[in-house]
Amino acid sequence: QLQLQESGPRLVKTSETLSLTCTVSGGSVSSSGYYWGWIRQPPGKGLEWIGNIYYGGNTYYNASLRSRVTISVDTSANQVSLKLSSVTAADTAVYYCASGDTGTVYSRIDYWGQGSLVTVSS
Amino acid sequence: DIQMTQSPSSLSASIGDRVTITCRASQSITTYLNWYQQKPGKAPNLLIFAASTLQSGVPSRFSGSGSGTDFTLTISSLKPEDFATYYCQQTYSTPPTFGGGTKVEFK
Repeated sequence: QLQLQESGPRLVKTSETLSLTCTVSGGSVSSSGYYWGWIRQPPGKGLEWIGNIYYGGNTYYNASLRSRVTISVDTSANQVSLKLSSVTAADTAVYYCASGDTGTVYSRIDYWGQGSLVTVSS
Repeated sequence: DIQMTQSPSSLSASIGDRVTITCRASQSITTYLNWYQQKPGKAPNLLIFAASTLQSGVPSRFSGSGSGTDFTLTISSLKPEDFATYYCQQTYSTPPTFGGGTKVEFK
């Protein structure tokens, strides 16, 4: 059973880069059996997919964020990272690390971190 | 992007009620439709995938149906732990998009 735990600064200044790390336990980030991703939820609002990374390093990003976002894995630390540059108040949200099995026809999110509230403020 | 529209955005119900939530896609997504439950301060939890397949461990009072553009999540007899917000998600195409959510509140 995978467990995901987000960590990183909870307050980021406007125009700077938001950086979060997701530590994975119960599985390996270098496994071909899982994909890894990030989803965010502004306070009181709905869910927005940010992007995914797959075995071999292939990444897919939401077009609305593509110019500012990078998702990567650190196999030595068994972690997934998210970087979002040039942040504004609109990027204030709970950021979830997420994962799912790649061996299924119907993609879904099977595992979620507990979420990390990141506030962007000047 | 495929737009997902849920209705209603909120509803009030009592213990034991049958509750139905609908989700409409802006184009056909066949059965690439998931349902999640989210409780306050918690991450969402997968209930149903492929429109009608119950995730392991999810009570059988939850069911899903539909294909193409119109989908339904039904709770056959509402229990106290079911008061939450429910989201649909399409994974037919990238980006995978979510509905706006339906909050189920106590009447």
